Amino acid sequence: GAVVSQHPSRVICKSGTSVKIECRSLDFQATTMFWYRQFPKQSLMLMATSNEGSKATYEQGVEKDKFLINHASLTLSTLTVTSAHPEDSSFYICSARPTSEVYEQYFGPGTRLTVT
Amino acid sequence: AQSVTQLGSHVSVSEGALVLLRCNYSSSVPPYLFWYVQYPNQGLQLLLKYTSAATLVKGINGFEAEFKKSETSFHLTKPSAHMSDAAEYFCAVSGNTGRRALTFGSGTRLQVQP
Repeated sequence: GAVVSQHPSRVICKSGTSVKIECRSLDFQATTMFWYRQFPKQSLMLMATSNEGSKATYEQGVEKDKFLINHASLTLSTLTVTSAHPEDSSFYICSARPTSEVYEQYFGPGTRLTVT
Repeated sequence: AQSVTQLGSHVSVSEGALVLLRCNYSSSVPPYLFWYVQYPNQGLQLLLKYTSAATLVKGINGFEAEFKKSETSFHLTKPSAHMSDAAEYFCAVSGNTGRRALTFGSGTRLQVQP
């Protein structure tokens, strides 16, 4: 149980285009989902907290107009990287917290974004 | 505010040897602490967690960690390393109110030599 999927697993896009990444909780409902960014050989940095039915909470320094987050249902959150640039290339990981849990988060497998 | 410091970005042990990965935390509230493992190009898998119950926590794959408040530490250990333990390990801390978002340490890469 407690499986989180991400789609796509890898994406290559051209500079200036937008890319949408999906995060789904497959066997549980998640009121809260988190989006992280991980640069090569570095730790995970929290980008934003996504709450179902409300606006996302962004961490300091994260451009909310560039990284659009939508959490339209209890099983799906999306991250759209708008007008992507090569510096946006990174590994994006989502996690989901079951509505029944207080602290637990289950992580997706990640999405490797390469902007050319 | 919370923070986590993982001492040693790389740790190398021989197969069968003790694994010790160090984690120290800073938190203004009682912390909740986690160890995660990450294999290349994959997400994170929870090894174990401390949420104010027993201070010695046992996790999956033979790992355990002990919460020591006086030392603000939560070191991860395993008595005997296996080749399959080679991976990146992250210590993380969460507050006990609000979003309970995780703050991660910088990670420790564990190498297991045959």
